[in-house]
Amino acid sequence: AQKITQTQPGMFVQEKEAVTLDCTYDTSDPSYGLFWYKQPSSGEMIFLIYQGSYDQQNATEGRYSLNFQKARKSANLVISASQLGDSAMYFCAMREGLVIQGAQKLVFGQGTRLTINP
Amino acid sequence: ETGVTQTPRHLVMGMTNKKSLKCEQHLGHNAMYWYKQSAKKPLELMFVYNFKEQTENNSVPSRFSPECPNSSHLFLHLHTLQPEDSALYLCASSLDLAGGPDTQYFGPGTRLTVL
Repeated sequence: AQKITQTQPGMFVQEKEAVTLDCTYDTSDPSYGLFWYKQPSSGEMIFLIYQGSYDQQNATEGRYSLNFQKARKSANLVISASQLGDSAMYFCAMREGLVIQGAQKLVFGQGTRLTINP
Repeated sequence: ETGVTQTPRHLVMGMTNKKSLKCEQHLGHNAMYWYKQSAKKPLELMFVYNFKEQTENNSVPSRFSPECPNSSHLFLHLHTLQPEDSALYLCASSLDLAGGPDTQYFGPGTRLTVL
C-alpha cells in the first residue's frame, strides 16, 4: 500500500482563489510528521509547512495552512489567495516515528501539478 | 552561499564516463541525503548520511557511489551509468534534534542525462 497518496495529478485555479491540495497517508506509527513541498519548474524542492502527529492545532505559514484530520489520515494543503507564482508541483511527504538520533527517511507522494490562471 | 547548493546544475554524460555530483550545505546540519527524481515517479531516497556515516543505502546499484567527507559536503560518484539513470538528482540536509521536526532542505538539483 502506498504510504502517501495524492489523488489530484493536476489542478487549475483562477488567480486569487483559494485552493486545496489533497493528501492522505497510511501509517500505524502514532508518531509521525507530515510535510508539504513546492517544486517550481527550476527543480528545487521548497519546504512549505510541517505538521506533527501530536500537534493539537493545524499548522499555518503565511498563505499556507494544513488541514490536518488525524482520524481520516488526511493532511490537505490550503493555499489562500493564490498567485501566479504558486504554479508548481506540490508534494506531500511523511516521516514515520519520532526524531530521536539519526537522519530520518521521508516518503513522498506522486505530487499535484497546480496551475494558476490569470 | 546560503542553503544547499549543488553542482553542476546540468550534466550530460556517456555510459562509459565517470563524473561526480557535488552537494554543499551551509545550514549547520548534520544529516545529508541523495534523492532521485525520475519522470512520473515519486522521489526516491538513495542514500542517507548522519554525521558523515552512511545510515541508509536504499538498494542503489553500485554504479552510484556516495561520499561524505564531512557534515557539510556530499558527493555522488557516477560510473558506467545507463540511460534509465537519467533523472533529476536532489541533495537535501537536515538538523536532527530529538523531538524536532527534522525538516529536510533541498538543493536545486542536478539534471543528469545519460546518452
